Amino acid sequence: QLQLQESGPGLVKPSETLSLTCTVSGGSISSSSYYWGWVRQPPGKGLEWIGNIYYSGSTYYNPSLKSRVTISVDTSKNHFSLRLNSVTAADTAVYYCARIVSSSFLHYAMDVWGQGTTVTVSS
Amino acid sequence: QSALTQPRSVSGSPGQSVTISCTGTSSDVGYYNYVSWYQQHPGKAPKLIIFDVSGRPSGVPDRFSGSQSGNTASLTISGLQAEDEADYYCCSYAGSYTFLFGGGTKLTVL
Repeated sequence: QLQLQESGPGLVKPSETLSLTCTVSGGSISSSSYYWGWVRQPPGKGLEWIGNIYYSGSTYYNPSLKSRVTISVDTSKNHFSLRLNSVTAADTAVYYCARIVSSSFLHYAMDVWGQGTTVTVSS
Repeated sequence: QSALTQPRSVSGSPGQSVTISCTGTSSDVGYYNYVSWYQQHPGKAPKLIIFDVSGRPSGVPDRFSGSQSGNTASLTISGLQAEDEADYYCCSYAGSYTFLFGGGTKLTVL
């Protein structure tokens, strides 16, 4: 059974860079039917899509965050990562990684999620 | 890109049906038939309950159903149960491997 697990610092200082990794277990990140994405949820607020990556390295970002976001993949370690630069308190959120399916049967839905990790931006 | 529009809250009594709407534009919801719905209980990760407007993943009860008309997608939960009380989010594919979420709807089971 596929599982995703986020990891990274829970506290980041303002203006610094937030870095998280999502480790995929129980399956290969290199499958052609899947993209791998990040979604965040500020306290008490809704979900916000951050961006996706394909195992080949192709990336797609939310226009509102594009200037500050980098998503990368390491197929040898079966994980993908998120970097968000110049963070402010508004970036405080639970960050989720998710698998996005793109197949003939199921199109562009996030069918497996990590448990989420809380990142607080504060000095 | 703007977030999809959902009602902030809906409520219903056990056994009743409720419908949650999700309104986008002709560039996202109305163009692609790729709307998904997620259920989120407090402190938990979202769970996929509907894909491709009306598809249901294995294990999701058939009390959950989805539909779409024009730029508005809808999630209907029939035979409400206490465990259905949660937040519900719609999400639309918006082209070029980008996605838009709705603001979320809190379902209260009275």
